[in-house]
Amino acid sequence: DQQVKQNSPSLSVQEGRISILNCDYTNSMFDYFLWYKKYPAEGPTFLISISSIKDKNEDGRFTVFLNKSAKHLSLHIVPSQPGDSAVYFCAASARIYNQGGKLIFGQGTELSVKP
Amino acid sequence: DVKVTQSSRYLVKRTGEKVFLECVQDMDHENMFWYRQDPGLGLRLIYFSYDVKMKEKGDIPEGYSVSREKKERFSLILESASTNQTSMYLCASSLRSEAFFGQGTRLTVV
Repeated sequence: DQQVKQNSPSLSVQEGRISILNCDYTNSMFDYFLWYKKYPAEGPTFLISISSIKDKNEDGRFTVFLNKSAKHLSLHIVPSQPGDSAVYFCAASARIYNQGGKLIFGQGTELSVKP
Repeated sequence: DVKVTQSSRYLVKRTGEKVFLECVQDMDHENMFWYRQDPGLGLRLIYFSYDVKMKEKGDIPEGYSVSREKKERFSLILESASTNQTSMYLCASSLRSEAFFGQGTRLTVV
């Protein structure tokens, strides 16, 4: 039972264009969402997060949008740069359950930004 | 600066061996986690701990156990390694929701 789903295993975009990575979730108890970036042979690093009380959070080139009614979130990267090429993981938590910050991850989307 | 350190980057073990993966964090975080990453499956939670000597099963605990004797250290134990446990193992710690990860251990069981 995959509670967090990233249906696109890969995405290729041109440098300077927008990258849009999508994520869907099924558990309506999730109230906090995060995006992580992972390079090969390294651990994931935190990128940006959003609480369920918001519908948008922005940090430089990265913006996360949350649509609670659709149980959908997306990460926008504008403009995309070759250094953004990595695997991006969406994660969700149900902090209301006080389960020690347990994060449920999606399968990941491999982004390739071509010069 | 936040630091989660895993004891090995690469390990090769034989089938049936008992394997210990160690993880140490220096942030005084309450919560610690062990995930494994496999292609197409994302990160799957094996075990987590929200306090010393406390542990909870994640989604795929079979074949694994954990130990948390001190707040800063969380160990993953493969009781009898099997080839289907070949994977990237990732340790993480958190205070609330944002988890910080170690560099990962690539374990190969032959």
